[in-house]
Amino acid sequence: GAGVSQSPSNKVTEKGKDVELRCDPISGHTALYWYRQSLGQGLEFLIYFQGNSAPDKSGLPSDRFSAERTGGSVSTLTIQRTQQEDSAVYLCASSFFPSAAGELFFGEGSRLTVL
Amino acid sequence: TQLLEQSPQFLSIQEGENLTVYCNSSSVFSSLQWYRQEPGEGPVLLVTVVTGGEVKKLKRLTFQFGDARKDSSLHITAAQTGDTGLYLCAGAQTSGSRLTFGEGTQLTVNP
Repeated sequence: GAGVSQSPSNKVTEKGKDVELRCDPISGHTALYWYRQSLGQGLEFLIYFQGNSAPDKSGLPSDRFSAERTGGSVSTLTIQRTQQEDSAVYLCASSFFPSAAGELFFGEGSRLTVL
Repeated sequence: TQLLEQSPQFLSIQEGENLTVYCNSSSVFSSLQWYRQEPGEGPVLLVTVVTGGEVKKLKRLTFQFGDARKDSSLHITAAQTGDTGLYLCAGAQTSGSRLTFGEGTQLTVNP
């Protein structure tokens, strides 16, 4: 596809279950970001992948959160033992440029609801 | 403490009015971007500013980067209902660092 693709678009889960969210970035983009957004709020940084460099995990809120990026392309964000406060929209973005002055292209997000 | 403070948080105006949204910080940024987000979609880039004092115009939108590169503003002239959305500023403190987003300004333009 031409844009950043995220799946699932909606996920409802029970407290304590694990969830996996997938992001397929734009082909050729070396930088990939995960952000979290609560209703009507700004974006909370979670993790940043750039090429083969070690990812910047400084935004992950707890050790229940992890992410990987395989082959420099698709990324998976995993949340273990979900809690109600994890409910949010999880946005993935990719960029061709490694520097932060480059445009971020966002997917439509995965809306997670933890009951 | 939020690195980038946006104000106002909410703004509701009538079509045809002018408005200004502010993005402020005590930190210096190497670059600053403005995005607009509509419901159910991801943010879309409007502009990137990199030089202190820089002014960029995009049709009815005017963006300014402060001389000290700590703040920015977005001015919309003669707002239209299609301008409704969440406006987000985002900055990077160095060229190699990741973007930090503000909390956003929710703009509603009423017909």
